[in-house]
Amino acid sequence: EAGVVQSPRYKIIEKKQPVAFWCNPISGHNTLYWYRQNLGQGPELLIRYENEEAVDDSQLPKDRFSAERLKGVDSTLKIQPAELGDSAVYLCASTRTSLGDTQYFGPGTRLTVL
Amino acid sequence: QQQVKQSPQSLIVQKGGIPIINCAYENTAFDYFPWYQQFPGKGPALLIAIRPDVSEKKEGRFTISFNKSAKQFSLHIMDSQPGDSATYFCAASRAGSEKLVFGKGTKLTVNP
Repeated sequence: EAGVVQSPRYKIIEKKQPVAFWCNPISGHNTLYWYRQNLGQGPELLIRYENEEAVDDSQLPKDRFSAERLKGVDSTLKIQPAELGDSAVYLCASTRTSLGDTQYFGPGTRLTVL
Repeated sequence: QQQVKQSPQSLIVQKGGIPIINCAYENTAFDYFPWYQQFPGKGPALLIAIRPDVSEKKEGRFTISFNKSAKQFSLHIMDSQPGDSATYFCAASRAGSEKLVFGKGTKLTVNP
């Protein structure tokens, strides 16, 4: 079974530029999460999707961050414009359901904003 | 306010030693406590998890000890190996919420 796929793995951009991250969850997993992991910290949830519906986006900085999960499978997280403080690893995770299943994480996208 | 406090920040042991990583939580509504292992360049992977109805859970060389009254739980790694060198995160979530709250992580180094 293929794991959670994320791309790109690394991204370096200038501040004020836009950037987008893509996630393909494990096949059949209805719940998808985006986390941000700052250096030396644990992951922090940004948004959770149940199929195509965002059910928890309370931690998503909506002035510059947006996300979508069209058709309830792949998801894209976008930052526009990026700021220096956005440098972090952006992790995608998925679970089969939202009923306490194990969250499976992808390898993440390491973003560096210069 | 940090809901899950993890210590130590880093830990170095010799091969065969028993590293212990501790976590404390504040929210008594938490009822699921997993530990994740993360290697450089990889995403976190679930190692072992416990719910408050038991005080200990063992899977292979990994054991979680849980103290509900003290609101603390810990990870013990028996017969540690150099391949166990990684960053370990404790986490917690509450019933009805899939939001995992992570600790800050412990970087474990097991010397040969």
